[in-house]
Amino acid sequence: SQTIHQWPATLVQPVGSPLSLECTVEGTSNPNLYWYRQAAGRGLQLLFYSVGIGQISSEVPQNLSASRPQDRQFILSSKKLLLSDSGFYLCAWSPKTGIMGNTIYFGEGSWLTVV
Amino acid sequence: AQTVTQSQPEMSVQEAETVTLSCTYDTSESDYYLFWYKQPPSRQMILVIRQEAYKQQNATENRFSVNFQKAAKSFSLKISDSQLGDAAMYFCAYSAIYNQGGKLIFGQGTELSVKP
Repeated sequence: SQTIHQWPATLVQPVGSPLSLECTVEGTSNPNLYWYRQAAGRGLQLLFYSVGIGQISSEVPQNLSASRPQDRQFILSSKKLLLSDSGFYLCAWSPKTGIMGNTIYFGEGSWLTVV
Repeated sequence: AQTVTQSQPEMSVQEAETVTLSCTYDTSESDYYLFWYKQPPSRQMILVIRQEAYKQQNATENRFSVNFQKAAKSFSLKISDSQLGDAAMYFCAYSAIYNQGGKLIFGQGTELSVKP
């Protein structure tokens, strides 16, 4: 079966420091990969998505970047964190084909607090 | 651009009763997917149910069922025999089938509380 893991689960970082959140998917190949952010409150905002290695689409201009160095690995980064980067970050994946194609499955999430 | 609207920020239901959560969406596409996700206090997003727009039959998963009205662009979630474990934030979401990498567009969520 397929599983998705992201880490770290919790992170407290000072303003201006770098960020690296990692996510890996197991049990599948060539998935679509996503990074979402959920600020205090409720809505989920799509940050980046990737349909293949090295292919990254950005949904909103911001202080963050994403990379996909391997088929099942997705990394969210920042060179210098801002206070506004605080939030709950969710990595997700979806199969491209099959009976559950386009269904998105989420990781456990990472809490980021920028202080 | 596609949008998803959940007009009920909060809902409450008595244990063992039935509750319906509302969702409307806007799209010019004819084929797409709709989803309901549950987010308990742990914050992990859990898939509840999935509906394919080209299927007229409403999806069901145990105590969870949807009322999909394609012409009205409405997609409500009915939870029968509510249990304490159903208390969570529920999100309605839309996904285009073609292009766009299958990304989800979420509504703002409905917080469901279950009273014992």
